[in-house]
This record gives sequence, C-alpha cells and structure tokens, in this order.
Amino acid sequence: NAGVTQTPKFQVLKTGQSMTLQCAQDMNHNSMYWYRQDPGMGLRLIYYSASEGTTDKGEVPNGYNVSRLNKREFSLRLESAAPSQTSVYFCASSTSTGGTEAFFGQGTRLTVV
Amino acid sequence: QKEVEQDPGPLSVPEGAIVSLNCTYSNSAFQYFMWYRQYSRKGPELLMYTYSSGNKEDGRFTAQVDKSSKYISLFIRDSQPSDSATYLCAMTKNSGYSTLTFGKGTMLLVSP
Repeated sequence: NAGVTQTPKFQVLKTGQSMTLQCAQDMNHNSMYWYRQDPGMGLRLIYYSASEGTTDKGEVPNGYNVSRLNKREFSLRLESAAPSQTSVYFCASSTSTGGTEAFFGQGTRLTVV
Repeated sequence: QKEVEQDPGPLSVPEGAIVSLNCTYSNSAFQYFMWYRQYSRKGPELLMYTYSSGNKEDGRFTAQVDKSSKYISLFIRDSQPSDSATYLCAMTKNSGYSTLTFGKGTMLLVSP
C-alpha cells in the first residue's frame, strides 16, 4: 500500500526556473494538501483541495500554483523559483477537509540557488 | 500570540523514562487534536487522534486534552531509542470544514 507518493524526492533549481512537484494518493481520499516545512517555522499550508475540482489558498500561497488533476493527484507548480522557496515540501491527504487523520508523503527537498 | 505553541527542545531522556510532550493553544474553537511523529528526513506520521477533552491510550502512548486550560499532552511510557524523533501537535476546529494548525514540533532524544 503506497499511501501518498511524491516525486521527485530531491531537486535543485536555479533562480527563475520553473518546476512541478507531483503528488498521488491511493487511499481514495477527498482532500489533499501541500505544506512546506522550514527550520523554526514548522509546517505551513500552501494550498489545499477540499475535493476534486476545488482548490483554496493556505497560509503561504504566494509564488505557487496548484492543480487537482483528478481525485488521486494534486500538483504544485513553482513558475519562477526564488531562493526563499528553498524548503522541504510535503503533500498530504485526508478523508475530509479538516485534515483529521491526514497522511503525509515522504517529502521533496528543493534547493533554489 | 501564536495559535499553537510547542517547546522546540531538544528533550533528552534515558531509555525507559516517561516522556511528557506538551502544546498550548489560544483558540477555544479547536476541537480535534492530533500528535504526529516525524523521523529525520521523513514525512510526519499520525500517532494519536482525540476529540474534545479527555484521555486516549494506545500502547505506550497516552494523549491528554484539557480544553479548559487549552493544553494538550502526549505521554510516552518506557521510552525507547526508536522514539527519538520530532513530535508535532496539530489541531482543527471542525473535522469537515477547517484545516490543521500545527505546532512547530519538539525534538525528543532517547539515549540507550
């Protein structure tokens, strides 16, 4: 049982480059989330999708876009990467928007130079 | 004042000790409370989930919620080196309509 799968696991970008982080879950969950985790800042919500076809901004959405491709997949795009976006990105999913019993992927370590 | 406060640690204890991890919060609307464990370079994994006030026990782990004091705790009995990780508390107002708010995490180190 894979749970939540994120790709890639590691990435180095140059300032101004774009990239898409992929996330897929196989638990038939309705809600999916993107977080970033920085030292001393904890987990901060970037965007979430309460259900297929809907997306909403979280605490730190600037510089990011998301797409809920279908019930399984939720992608995060950086259009023009900046060094401030160097972070560890986690995708999560849950049965409901409240995120109770949310399940996390293993993370993507992104460095922007 | 931050919505959820958690001492970052590190908290160092010897193997076999009883560990107490805590979070305080300011928003009385929070009703659902969770503890996640995060090993280094891994994603958070759900340990315990409780609703409203009271205690919940699962093996060596006990979660306690005191809504009157806006205070939640996670107790680990007979701590093991494998318990060494960062523990994150999380909470939400309503299971269906609001997102999780996380504490910043407490690093726990259990020495053999």
